[in-house]
Amino acid sequence: EAGVAQSPRYKIIEKRQSVAFWCNPISGHATLYWYQQILGQGPKLLIQFQNNGVVDDSQLPKDRFSAERLKGVDSTLKIQPAKLEDSAVYLCASSLDRPNYYEQYFGPGTRLTVT
Amino acid sequence: KQEVTQIPAALSVPEGENLVLNCSFTDSAIYNLQWFRQDPGKGLTSLLLIQSSQREQTSGRLNASLDKSSGRSTLYIAASQPGDSATYLCAVLIQGAQKLVFGQGTRLTINP
Repeated sequence: EAGVAQSPRYKIIEKRQSVAFWCNPISGHATLYWYQQILGQGPKLLIQFQNNGVVDDSQLPKDRFSAERLKGVDSTLKIQPAKLEDSAVYLCASSLDRPNYYEQYFGPGTRLTVT
Repeated sequence: KQEVTQIPAALSVPEGENLVLNCSFTDSAIYNLQWFRQDPGKGLTSLLLIQSSQREQTSGRLNASLDKSSGRSTLYIAASQPGDSATYLCAVLIQGAQKLVFGQGTRLTINP
């Protein structure tokens, strides 16, 4: 089965510009996650979708970050305007809704550099 | 609030040695614990997943244990090889939230 796809793989922008990342989860996976991983740290959950709905966005900086998941499949994460501290790897993951299991599968990530 | 800690932050050992990576967590209300591998510039590769009802899982030269009551997990790597060099992350899945909380990782270097 195909894995989680993300694009672009790399992006360099200047501060105050906007950027968007795209994620296509594994077919049939109802739950989709976006994580931010700053260099030297573990990933931090930004937002979690179940089908079209948001389950958890408590750590999403909503003044500049937004995310959507149309039709319960693909998702986009947008940053506008970007700050230097947004430089990180943005990881997308997906999982089935199997009770008490919930293994997450990760995409290759998008490395964002803000200059 | 669940916190996950990994010790050591970095480890360098000669090829062929057996080694142990440690992970501790503060709240035992978890569904499972996963160990991941991350190569530079790459995403996460799942190595082992231990359900909360299990004590250990094995895959090849890797063995992971879970002691939920004490909030600890270890990843044992036997007969280490240079190809094992990577960052190893542990993460716990919080009950009710389906939310993974990660440690900061252990950067492992195996010297030929």
